[in-house]
Amino acid sequence: QSVLTQPPSASGSPGQSVTISCTGTSSDVGRYNYVSWYQQHPGKAPKLLIFEVSLRHSGVPDRFSGSKSGNTASLTVSGLRAEDEADYYCCSYAGNMNLVFGGGTKLTVL
Amino acid sequence: QVQLQESGPGLVRPSETLSLTCSVSGGSMTDDYWTWVRQPPSKGLEWIGYFYDSGRIYYNPSFRSRAAISADTSKNQFSLRLTSVTASDTAVYFCARTLRYFGNTDIWGQGTLVTVSS
Repeated sequence: QSVLTQPPSASGSPGQSVTISCTGTSSDVGRYNYVSWYQQHPGKAPKLLIFEVSLRHSGVPDRFSGSKSGNTASLTVSGLRAEDEADYYCCSYAGNMNLVFGGGTKLTVL
Repeated sequence: QVQLQESGPGLVRPSETLSLTCSVSGGSMTDDYWTWVRQPPSKGLEWIGYFYDSGRIYYNPSFRSRAAISADTSKNQFSLRLTSVTASDTAVYFCARTLRYFGNTDIWGQGTLVTVSS
């Protein structure tokens, strides 16, 4: 059982926007601005998209954005494209040199 | 450009020890956190732990009793040992570079599947 809760699936049509949530607690997501998001295509390694809640990693399109409110972080993908179809994982610092991941969300582009 | 490559046996017997090595090329191992993450088949990512430049090692509490991460910085390698494995340890194991203790894992190896089976 993952420490951070993500919806198992999300979907949208090309050009639309989709938001994926990541809910933790006051000990991880709520306490630290250290949430990162990863994209993983089937059979591939994860790729860093967003770090420290809202900062885009080098080379990541500005269609990807991150935010946080309370114990919930969110990843928004705007202007959906076919290549955005993948699994997305959030990760948060949980204190005491410990990192925790969410269970992942499968994004389908309809 | 830093690249990572995992190596090690793809099959481990139950109750034995899983051993993997990650080779770092294109850069040094100083100033960063060298990380192990695993992913059971069709499941999510799980952080195992990381090694820091000066020899400090930190673990997910769930693995602290069974995992050992070490490094040979002269060879630009770091390793994972996981003892007393069971079928639930079957997973793709990734090595990765984490830039800060609080996350930002920016470079990943391709991953290696380890199956625990007799």
